Amino acid sequence: ETGVTQTPRHLVMGMTNKKSLKCEQHLGHNAMYWYKQSAKKPLELMFVYNFKEQTENNSVPSRFSPECPNSSHLFLHLHTLQPEDSALYLCASSQVAGTGNTIYFGEGSWLTVV
Amino acid sequence: SQELEQSPQSLIVQEGKNLTINCTSSKTLYGLYWYKQKYGEGLIFLMMLQKGGEEKSHEKITAKLDEKKQQSSLHITASQPSHAGIYLCGADWAGSQGNLIFGKGTKLSVKP
Repeated sequence: ETGVTQTPRHLVMGMTNKKSLKCEQHLGHNAMYWYKQSAKKPLELMFVYNFKEQTENNSVPSRFSPECPNSSHLFLHLHTLQPEDSALYLCASSQVAGTGNTIYFGEGSWLTVV
Repeated sequence: SQELEQSPQSLIVQEGKNLTINCTSSKTLYGLYWYKQKYGEGLIFLMMLQKGGEEKSHEKITAKLDEKKQQSSLHITASQPSHAGIYLCGADWAGSQGNLIFGKGTKLSVKP
């Protein structure tokens, strides 16, 4: 139990579907992150939110749409995805976004696009 | 080219043996983080190093950061099957605003 909970753990969706990944942190942190982990590639940062404001969008396609309604919750809305978007999506949080703050990860959501 | 290199990519050791995993940065680190991941699961934070020459230990795992702050090593003493997994280093560089860049990971298998 890391204090960062992700749901669902597994998701299979068609290319025309719309689905969302949810993340909740119970650590009292103010920064939340989405990372993508594909086979044989390093972990890639997608989005960063600090005090509910998006501070980083790492050139992510618009078919991925993040939402951060408060410092404890983070969503990743998915629509018209491609098979190459199949990956493990990891949510994480830290006290604040910035140098020297340890980032804690959730268990991940496995996404398969068919 | 990769800014953060981990070696080896994979490692198989006999239970009870010692092992070392290395992480090399192309530029000076502000901080270096070590995480462990079991396949298909999240990353578990192990240790963070910030000062040149710093060394930290947790149970049988020791991590060091060199004086130049460009290389870190993770050493496991008397390995056990529970140490098996993927070890990832994450770099916090000046100007990166704390957004970690990760290496490709080292897959460790421990034979009983």
